[in-house]
Amino acid sequence: QQPVQSPQAVILREGEDAVINCSSSKALYSVHWYRQKHGEAPVFLMILLKGGEQKGHEKISASFNEKKQQSSLYLTASQLSYSGTYFCGTERGTTDSWGKLQFGAGTQVVVTP
Amino acid sequence: DTGVSQDPRHKITKRGQNVTFRCDPISEHNRLYWYRQTLGQGPEFLTYFQNEAQLEKSRLLSDRFSAERPKGSFSTLEIQRTEQGDSAMYLCASRGRGDGYTFGSGTRLTVV
Repeated sequence: QQPVQSPQAVILREGEDAVINCSSSKALYSVHWYRQKHGEAPVFLMILLKGGEQKGHEKISASFNEKKQQSSLYLTASQLSYSGTYFCGTERGTTDSWGKLQFGAGTQVVVTP
Repeated sequence: DTGVSQDPRHKITKRGQNVTFRCDPISEHNRLYWYRQTLGQGPEFLTYFQNEAQLEKSRLLSDRFSAERPKGSFSTLEIQRTEQGDSAMYLCASRGRGDGYTFGSGTRLTVV
């Protein structure tokens, strides 16, 4: 079951903040976040585990609401380097799906000067 | 640690031909995954291995697709009798315990 990401796209000026959401209809074990720049492979940003803490990497952080099966990625004081497409990947943690991620359709982020 | 390597980077083939792609994962990672990505979409799961065992193959995948991981090291993905709908970026990723995926640069397949 593919997770649903919103918004599909966001345009920011340098220094502005943005939130990207990822929702699943199934119970999740973990949520991953990746960023992909044009023509490149996705790059791992962070993983949020069920029962775990909110994670952060510089000014990019994320949270995982287990009750809602929803994760949010926070881009704070955005930089030009934050431009790219952000994907969430969800892991259900059942015996037949452990380790396998289902990816959302992505959120395109454009940061302008 | 040289990352995940994929070969070739680009492949153009005629419809009906067979193609094979190779992935060399990070040596310490026992899990290896194949995904397919088309323009504007997220990666779509194809199959994955733990060591040499293929644990799951997507039900969306036709019998023309097969993957192997002999001796739990590199992996190959073969597509037989290619069709235009097979044109996509094929991504390989490996994963250590508790980590995120490390993706390779992908193989871009164009079927003409």
